[in-house]
Amino acid sequence: NAGVTQTPKFQVLKTGQSMTLQCAQDMNHEYMSWYRQDPGMGLRLIHYSVGAGITDQGEVPNGYNVSRSTTEDFPLRLLSAAPSQTSVYFCASSYRGGASYNSPLHFGNGTRLTVT
Amino acid sequence: KQEVTQIPAALSVPEGENLVLNCSFTDSAIYNLQWFRQDPGKGLTSLLLIQSSQREQTSGRLNASLDKSSGRSTLYIAASQPGDSATYLCAEQGAQKLVFGQGTRLTINP
Repeated sequence: NAGVTQTPKFQVLKTGQSMTLQCAQDMNHEYMSWYRQDPGMGLRLIHYSVGAGITDQGEVPNGYNVSRSTTEDFPLRLLSAAPSQTSVYFCASSYRGGASYNSPLHFGNGTRLTVT
Repeated sequence: KQEVTQIPAALSVPEGENLVLNCSFTDSAIYNLQWFRQDPGKGLTSLLLIQSSQREQTSGRLNASLDKSSGRSTLYIAASQPGDSATYLCAEQGAQKLVFGQGTRLTINP
């Protein structure tokens, strides 16, 4: 099992450009999420999905879009990049059988994004 | 509002010592408390998950405890090794979301 795979590992964008951060998992996890990690701010939830076709906003959703057309993939789209979106982005997934929240979260290795 | 606090922000100890990392949370209606390890430039690795009905979980040299009444969890590391050097984060799973602390950066000196 590869676990959670994120691409690319590094990306530099100019202000106003758009791009998609890719996330794929091969563990058949229902729950997938995107976090950003910033110094002094910790990890903050951007968007999450509890299954294919279902997405919802987290703590800091503005400027980002997501979709979940398959169980395996959960891409994060930056519509018009801004310097405030410079951060390290992590995708994470877990099994959520029924109403259970008691499964650990599995993380990818992150995408380091710089917006100039 | 769910808040998670980890003190201290950094800790340095000699190899072989037993140590305790602390985590405080405000939400009494938690589903579980999770401990993670993060190495520089890497993602988070799940270490232990304590369900709200449990008091502790153990994995090798790691033992995590949960006291919901006081809003506290501890991660005990026995016989520390240089390879234990990393940032350790705790996270509280509430009804709506998982909230992370800012982590304790642990350095084990040979």
